Amino acid sequence: DGGITQSPKYLFRKEGQNVTLSCEQNLNHDAMYWYRQDPGQGLRLIYYSQIVNDFQKGDIAEGYSVSREKKESFPLTVTSAQKNPTAFYLCASSMDRGDEQYFGPGTRLTVT
Amino acid sequence: EDKVVQSPLSLVVHEGDTVTLNCSYEVTNFRSLLWYKQEKKAPTFLFMLTSSGIEKKSGRLSSILDKKELFSILNITATQTGDSAVYLCAVPTNYGQNFVFGPGTRLSVLP
Repeated sequence: DGGITQSPKYLFRKEGQNVTLSCEQNLNHDAMYWYRQDPGQGLRLIYYSQIVNDFQKGDIAEGYSVSREKKESFPLTVTSAQKNPTAFYLCASSMDRGDEQYFGPGTRLTVT
Repeated sequence: EDKVVQSPLSLVVHEGDTVTLNCSYEVTNFRSLLWYKQEKKAPTFLFMLTSSGIEKKSGRLSSILDKKELFSILNITATQTGDSAVYLCAVPTNYGQNFVFGPGTRLSVLP
């Protein structure tokens, strides 16, 4: 089955700790994205990557970091510098930039 | 600044009603507009619109784009409880490298 997976579904962390969210796709898509969704709000772009070993900051990149060492994988690290990390994080991929995106099931991160 | 606005933000209807959801945008170098349905977690793709005035249709859902007035509508006829979801509108920007999403319309369909 082709698709995009995220793990874990739920993640709890103490303030001050870095945490890495996993995103993997087997759709052979070039472009991958990370979004953050807060209650009652739309999706806001954190980072995106059009090809391996290249990524760009989105609208709210501060306090986050990413890597794209493989086409299939685009992990997101939420660092201790992120002021309000508690949110729902969605990963997406598309064949090419601007194309329809396929979303993973999301990771709900809670930091206390 | 690129912007996508949706209205209404919330809507409650009864089964069988017809609803119209609105999305307006202000972006540079417009290429397309996309609609997604988000039920619990992952948004699922509904439509991509690139040409003005051409309706896209899938079952009871249809959508149309007006590039002159910079808006799109999503129509759902004969609504069912399974249509209850948040409907998101998105526009690629920066030559397709970035996406701007609207806040979504939360539709609740009561039996």
